[in-house]
Amino acid sequence: KNQVEQSPQSLIILEGKNCTLQCNYTVSPFSNLRWYKQDTGRGPVSLTIMTFSENTKSNGRYTATLDADTKQSSLHITASQLSDSASYICVVSPQTGANNLFFGTGTRLTVIP
Amino acid sequence: ETGVTQTPRHLVMGMTNKKSLKCEQHLGHNAMYWYKQSAKKPLELMFVYNFKEQTENNSVPSRFSPECPNSSHLFLHLHTLQPEDSALYLCASSQSSVATYEQYFGPGTRLTVT
Repeated sequence: KNQVEQSPQSLIILEGKNCTLQCNYTVSPFSNLRWYKQDTGRGPVSLTIMTFSENTKSNGRYTATLDADTKQSSLHITASQLSDSASYICVVSPQTGANNLFFGTGTRLTVIP
Repeated sequence: ETGVTQTPRHLVMGMTNKKSLKCEQHLGHNAMYWYKQSAKKPLELMFVYNFKEQTENNSVPSRFSPECPNSSHLFLHLHTLQPEDSALYLCASSQSSVATYEQYFGPGTRLTVT
């Protein structure tokens, strides 16, 4: 069964600290993996997209890594800000088939002053 | 803003009411989607339209009825809903319905069924 699992479910960190969110997936064959940020009361917004051949990709203070062999991805946030408080969702696209994206349940991050 | 708008942003309705959710995309995309987001659950795909044609209906109860008059507009008609239908309903669009294309999400409609 194709699944995407994220950990931790929730996380609280102090402003300025770094953190890492995890995503493990079993989707196969695999096309790409995206990390979305979802602010409270808003729709998800894409942060990064990684294809099978990419190991790391950065978007400002966000750095995503991908290990296609172990089917693991991580999202590292550097020097966290209060505005980073949101849910972070890992989404995996299979290599074939239309429509069927696989979504994780998300990690709820709270950054406190 | 992602280029996808949804109205209303909040909706409270009784189980016997009929209401509609509206979604509009300004991105020139050809595919549009409805998702349901419940607490602590992954997004659930409900419906997919590609070039105005419905291509996916993920066993959604008939009390949810989609309508796609053109590639820019998508509606979700609601009637005789149940309290467990309370959730955030997200609309999304993409260049095509192939899974490799990025989906752009609207802000969602928070639905409460009383």
